[in-house]
Amino acid sequence: GAVVSQHPSWVICKSGTSVKIECRSLDFQATTMFWYRQFPKQSLMLMATSNEGSKATYEQGVEKDKFLINHASLTLSTLTVTSAHPEDSSFYICSAPLHGRNQPQHFGDGTRLSIL
Amino acid sequence: RKEVEQDPGPFNVPEGATVAFNCTYSNSASQSFFWYRQDCRKEPKLLMSVYSSGNEDGRFTAQLNRASQYISLLIRDSKLSDSATYLCVSLFSGTYKYIFGTGTRLKVLA
Repeated sequence: GAVVSQHPSWVICKSGTSVKIECRSLDFQATTMFWYRQFPKQSLMLMATSNEGSKATYEQGVEKDKFLINHASLTLSTLTVTSAHPEDSSFYICSAPLHGRNQPQHFGDGTRLSIL
Repeated sequence: RKEVEQDPGPFNVPEGATVAFNCTYSNSASQSFFWYRQDCRKEPKLLMSVYSSGNEDGRFTAQLNRASQYISLLIRDSKLSDSATYLCVSLFSGTYKYIFGTGTRLKVLA
């Protein structure tokens, strides 16, 4: 069964809206989670590393003020796309390592975001 | 040069065929490697980890060549359900940070 849950699966909203995506680890604690974005026919691109109890670490070129990450508990990280625009439309996926460093990560189902 | 490179394909093979994918990585500090499978509009799912000695899981065999900095995935007796994109992933030593390849598309034809 799923070990990482992501919600919502699909969001369609107007330009200028802020959208929050949740990523939960099920039955395990995740001090670190990851947020990726994937455009059609492209690979997953790491956006940021979410750290429980501290600030997220953003990859180069990712605007931290636009993509707000909060990791307030050991089982929940949220990504908020603020004032979303059509170019933010993408597939957003979170992941978490189940057993620690150097171990495989497990992915949430992903959130398909469409900004009109 | 990309850190992890894959041939995007598509590889079109008949059912029952054997197909192999290679993936090269540029950073020798990469310690762990994985193959993931991603179906269209879905999240990646772990297919198998790649061990230095090579490992097999049913019809799937993964190998790592550190000297030449590449990993491979061999699929025997291809099934229609194997059609997907196969993602090569490297992980730097002591970190959680995944580096994804662009993926190789496989289409198994009836």
